[in-house]
Amino acid sequence: GAVVSQHPSRVICKSGTSVKIECRSLDFQATTMFWYRQFPKQSLMLMATSNEGSKATYEQGVEKDKFLINHASLTLSTLTVTSAHPEDSSFYICSASYNQPSGEADTQYFGPGTRLTVL
Amino acid sequence: AQSVTQPDIHITVSEGASLELRCNYSYGATPYLFWYVQSPGQGLQLLLKYFSGDTLVQGIKGFEAEFKRSQSSFNLRKPSVHWSDAAEYFCAALNTGFQKLVFGTGTRLLVSP
Repeated sequence: GAVVSQHPSRVICKSGTSVKIECRSLDFQATTMFWYRQFPKQSLMLMATSNEGSKATYEQGVEKDKFLINHASLTLSTLTVTSAHPEDSSFYICSASYNQPSGEADTQYFGPGTRLTVL
Repeated sequence: AQSVTQPDIHITVSEGASLELRCNYSYGATPYLFWYVQSPGQGLQLLLKYFSGDTLVQGIKGFEAEFKRSQSSFNLRKPSVHWSDAAEYFCAALNTGFQKLVFGTGTRLLVSP
């Protein structure tokens, strides 16, 4: 259980275009979804946190107008990289969590990631 | 500041040998602790987690981790490593008050024949 998917797995686009990445929780309803960015051989950097039906909370230094996040339902969140440039090339990973009835901390389950290359 | 440290950037272990990956945390109170594994070009898979109770936690794929409050550590172990265990391993901590998962820098495990 607790499977998260991402689509597409990899995308190549031209500079100046926009790219949308989807993150879906397949077998649970995600109360919270997270978007991370990972540079080669580095750890994950949290970009934003989103709750269904509300605006995303962005981390310091992340441009909210460039990285648009929509969390339209309890199973789907999208990240749109607007006017992408080569420096936006990276590995983007989403995760999802749900409220534990036991009161335990929410565990994050990660998607397989999306490799974005901007030419 | 809250942080997670993985002191070893990479470790090489012979197949069949035992493994221990180190993780230390710096938090005001004991956070919730996790170990994730990432294969090249893939997302993260949860190996195990510690919230409370028994300080020795069993996970998937034969991994276990031991929480030691006195050392602020949560080291990951496996008694016999398989070639398929070669991957990047991330320790992470969660302060439930902020819901933000903080990752260590990762340890790359190489398995030699």
